[in-house]
Amino acid sequence: DGGITQSPKYLFRKEGQNVTLSCEQNLNHDAMYWYRQDPGQGLRLIYYSQIVNDFQKGDIAEGYSVSREKKESFPLTVTSAQKNPTAFYLCASSIEVVVGGNTIYFGEGSWLTVV
Amino acid sequence: AQKVTQAQTEISVVEKEDVTLDCVYETRDTTYYLFWYKQPPSGELVFLIRRNSFDEQNEISGRYSWNFQKSTSSFNFTITASQVVDSAVYFCALSGANTGNQFYFGTGTSLTVIP
Repeated sequence: DGGITQSPKYLFRKEGQNVTLSCEQNLNHDAMYWYRQDPGQGLRLIYYSQIVNDFQKGDIAEGYSVSREKKESFPLTVTSAQKNPTAFYLCASSIEVVVGGNTIYFGEGSWLTVV
Repeated sequence: AQKVTQAQTEISVVEKEDVTLDCVYETRDTTYYLFWYKQPPSGELVFLIRRNSFDEQNEISGRYSWNFQKSTSSFNFTITASQVVDSAVYFCALSGANTGNQFYFGTGTSLTVIP
């Protein structure tokens, strides 16, 4: 089945540690995104990528890093510099990112809790 | 500026009642796109509908219907004969044609359908 797979679903991290969230898609989409969702809030864009080996900061990129070595994969690393990393993280993809209005499709999300 | 407002934070209805979720948007673009997504308790955002700014026809899909009115900058979503499975958080989103595929999400409306 085509779709977006995120792993792990639940992750606990100790303060001061980096953690990487995986995102893989087999939709053959060029564009991929990472969003953060906090309780009672909308989605905020962390990073996006429109092509392999290229990515751009979103609204809240500080404390996060990404890579796009393959079209199918867009992992997100939450670094120790992120002050408040406990949140729900959603990976998404679309056909492209240059032209507006392309539907974004989402993965099932990953819950990150700092303990 | 691009902005989406979902003024209803939480709504509760009894099963089989109709319910309307409000969405008001702001944009200076003449071409733009509006979306609705459903987020069930599992977390994944499920795409429901995409509408472009030139198509003001109302859309009906089963028990779901959407009312797009440019005059009031609204894109409201109605669920007819609600069911328990409709319980979820619903997000309205806006994408401009000239700003890349940047999405602007509302803060969501949490719908609870009581059996």
